[in-house]
Amino acid sequence: DQQVKQNSPSLSVQEGRISILNCDYTNSMFDYFLWYKKYPAEGPTFLISISSIKDKNEDGRFTVFLNKSAKHLSLHIVPSQPGDSAVYFCAARSGGSNYKLTFGKGTLLTVNP
Amino acid sequence: DTGVSQNPRHKITKRGQNVTFRCDPISEHNRLYWYRQTLGQGPEFLTYFQNEAQLEKSRLLSDRFSAERPKGSFSTLEIQRTEQGDSAMYLCASSPLFWTGKVGHGYTFGSGTRLTVV
Repeated sequence: DQQVKQNSPSLSVQEGRISILNCDYTNSMFDYFLWYKKYPAEGPTFLISISSIKDKNEDGRFTVFLNKSAKHLSLHIVPSQPGDSAVYFCAARSGGSNYKLTFGKGTLLTVNP
Repeated sequence: DTGVSQNPRHKITKRGQNVTFRCDPISEHNRLYWYRQTLGQGPEFLTYFQNEAQLEKSRLLSDRFSAERPKGSFSTLEIQRTEQGDSAMYLCASSPLFWTGKVGHGYTFGSGTRLTVV
């Protein structure tokens, strides 16, 4: 069973516009949610995280929203830049002591100049 | 500290051969994790160490896989009798013993080892 789902394999936006990437989860025991950016042949790079007790976290151009009742989170990138083009992974941390991350399948974001 | 280092970056091997990968975590990190990423999928958890103790193994980690972390420093992941289905990116990550998750930079991934089994 896939506990973290990213239902959009790809997203294309124009430079300067907003990018919205979505993620759904099923496990209520997740305590933190993280977004990672990944280029081919590189490891994931952390972007932003949110605690399960918060509903919004903002860091520069990146904002993550969490709707706990809907088990849904989204990453907003404003304004989008061509350098943002990459695969974005949503990940959730298991509550407890092992800090294991469960990832979605990723969304390929393309920002067109 | 230069972050999490993985070697080799790429490995091509023939089916049936054994391969070993190495991960050097951030020096002050007590926890070390191995993940596997196949095409079109997100990284999947394989196993994790707290210092030298291997505390959890995923069901994805078959008997042909073994991981060690002697002395709680670097870690190795060995795959015996490789199969074509083992072809994937193997990622290593490390984190402090206590990681709130608030600062995601505390959970750091290496660049991975790309394994191709032919």
